[in-house]
Amino acid sequence: GDSVTQMEGPVTLSEEAFLTINCTYTATGYPSLFWYVQYPGEGLQLLLKATKADDKGSNKGFEATYRKETTSFHLEKGSVQVSDSAVYFCALNRGGADGLTFGKGTHLIIQP
Amino acid sequence: GAGVSQTPSNKVTEKGKYVELRCDPISGHTALYWYRQSLGQGPEFLIYFQGTGAADDSGLPNDRFFAVRPEGSVSTLKIQRTERGDSAVYLCASSFGARDNEQFFGPGTRLTVL
Repeated sequence: GDSVTQMEGPVTLSEEAFLTINCTYTATGYPSLFWYVQYPGEGLQLLLKATKADDKGSNKGFEATYRKETTSFHLEKGSVQVSDSAVYFCALNRGGADGLTFGKGTHLIIQP
Repeated sequence: GAGVSQTPSNKVTEKGKYVELRCDPISGHTALYWYRQSLGQGPEFLIYFQGTGAADDSGLPNDRFFAVRPEGSVSTLKIQRTERGDSAVYLCASSFGARDNEQFFGPGTRLTVL
């Protein structure tokens, strides 16, 4: 079945550091890929998405590129802020299915 | 505007009891989803409604779980004969369409089965 694997957390960085959170997937067909974020005390919200190979999703300084050859969708940000501290979830939506398949989540902690 | 709301926010029940969890989607959203999130895990898909009908219930773990959406808006997730392993946060999401459309999540209902 479909699955998403993302790096274990917590990931602790200093403010203004470069961020990468790895995400790889297994799916049949041509899935759409998503990053969701959950800030402390809040619900899940969409951060960015990409619907086909080589697409780049971007939002709030975060980027991720859909790499079909490596089945990856790594999340990056050039300079993180304390306010980026949250749990980040990589997810896919397989063509023909409607529910999302999520990874386990990566807890990101940014220290001032 | 109002987002997705879920009630109750917390529910504590005893093993063997019946529980109902309610979801109010964003007005106008035709698609509604239920997920279950266990501690330290990502959300796990349970069921998807398009309008009033369950278009995909492949994620429901067993026949103790059932969900309805009789008027195409509010949905209720029903769990019979609860077990301790049902303890989790139950999330509801809605979207304007399906597939690639953004899913908007509610705050969840934390269910604890003693």
